[in-house]
Amino acid sequence: GEDVEQSLFLSVREGDSSVINCTYTDSSSTYLYWYKQEPGAGLQLLTYIFSNMDMKQDQRLTVLLNKKDKHLSLRIADTQTGDSAIYFCAERSLSGYSTLTFGKGTMLLVSP
Amino acid sequence: GAVVSQHPSRVICKSGTSVKIECRSLDFQATTMFWYRQFPKQSLMLMATSNEGSKATYEQGVEKDKFLINHASLTLSTLTVTSAHPEDSSFYICSARPRQGPSYEQYFGPGTRLTVT
Repeated sequence: GEDVEQSLFLSVREGDSSVINCTYTDSSSTYLYWYKQEPGAGLQLLTYIFSNMDMKQDQRLTVLLNKKDKHLSLRIADTQTGDSAIYFCAERSLSGYSTLTFGKGTMLLVSP
Repeated sequence: GAVVSQHPSRVICKSGTSVKIECRSLDFQATTMFWYRQFPKQSLMLMATSNEGSKATYEQGVEKDKFLINHASLTLSTLTVTSAHPEDSSFYICSARPRQGPSYEQYFGPGTRLTVT
């Protein structure tokens, strides 16, 4: 079945760039997503990338997709303390109801 | 943006009782809704997928008689945890896919924290 892997923890200083990495196994993925979850809250869609794209930029966020290696990354420029949260990578397949498969999440801690 | 609400946000119930969680799409119609379960510091695990007017499709290992899902309308899905036990304590999150609009869209509710004592 599909599998999505992420590193579990990242710590950066305020103002630095953060890069969160994700790998996936389903070659039929249509969309790949990054969600943000703050403590006790639901998931907020940050950005997504269609599988035929290599890069997408949205303000401070840059998503890079390497289809050959099935590697996805999220770069947050000028990271702020308010960016501290758990970031989930998810892939959406073509099969069935096109459900999302999530990684375990990367906890980003931004220190002042 | 599209909003998905869940009610209640937190619930504490006694072991053996049933609890109903509502998921509503507030400003859009959702043909498909999803129910996830999240354990502390874990990822979201898909429990079931429901389409309006039809029976839910459950993921392997999820007891359909214990987790009853009803998708009665294009804006409401309910999850009922029957005869709840302490091991059912978890964070339950619903998600909705709009009937119209870009195909990538899927919006999540704020989650319901269930504690079974």
